[in-house]
Amino acid sequence: DSGVTQTPKHLITATGQRVTLRCSPRSGDLSVYWYQQSLDQGLQFLIQYYNGEERAKGNILERFSAQQFPDLHSELNLSSLELGDSALYFCASSPGGSSNQPQHFGDGTRLSIL
Amino acid sequence: QKEVEQDPGPLSVPEGAIVSLNCTYSNSAFQYFMWYRQYSRKGPELLMYTYSSGNKEDGRFTAQVDKSSKYISLFIRDSQPSDSATYLCASARTSYDKVIFGPGTSLSVIP
Repeated sequence: DSGVTQTPKHLITATGQRVTLRCSPRSGDLSVYWYQQSLDQGLQFLIQYYNGEERAKGNILERFSAQQFPDLHSELNLSSLELGDSALYFCASSPGGSSNQPQHFGDGTRLSIL
Repeated sequence: QKEVEQDPGPLSVPEGAIVSLNCTYSNSAFQYFMWYRQYSRKGPELLMYTYSSGNKEDGRFTAQVDKSSKYISLFIRDSQPSDSATYLCASARTSYDKVIFGPGTSLSVIP
């Protein structure tokens, strides 16, 4: 058990809809990272938050947004969903702001767009 | 060209074999190198973490980085069925840069 909790585990929705994925980091970790994993693209970094502030941005679409709350949990919002957004979305956390500190991953949210 | 490349496999070996997993990367600015293991339906977990060139050993696992050839390797000695998973190599330029993952190599260790 990595200590990182992601909810929900599975999400099925339709094109054009909006969903929110939730992540609780390991106790004491200040950084949260979001990744998208698909068969054709592999594991792609989306965005990092550190202690409530955006720290780094990767290949995140404008339709996607994230935030980290004062209690350090984070949410990833995906809107105007398209078929191609179907993927596994992982959250990871680490103690500090360095992205190459060991990142502890949750078990992901599997998003299926019908 | 992707910044970090791996042969996707699948790689199948008998129990007890020495496994060699390899990655190449294109960005000469990468200084931090990692190997993650991902079991089916689970998130990746960090196996090895190295800075710059050289070897690092941890139990049955040895990570090797050759920056001159931009080559990263992970060796698994005395492989076990429990090592069956997908192995992701990853790299970063600086300690505050995003981590770039390879596509992963699927490994099966047959009892």
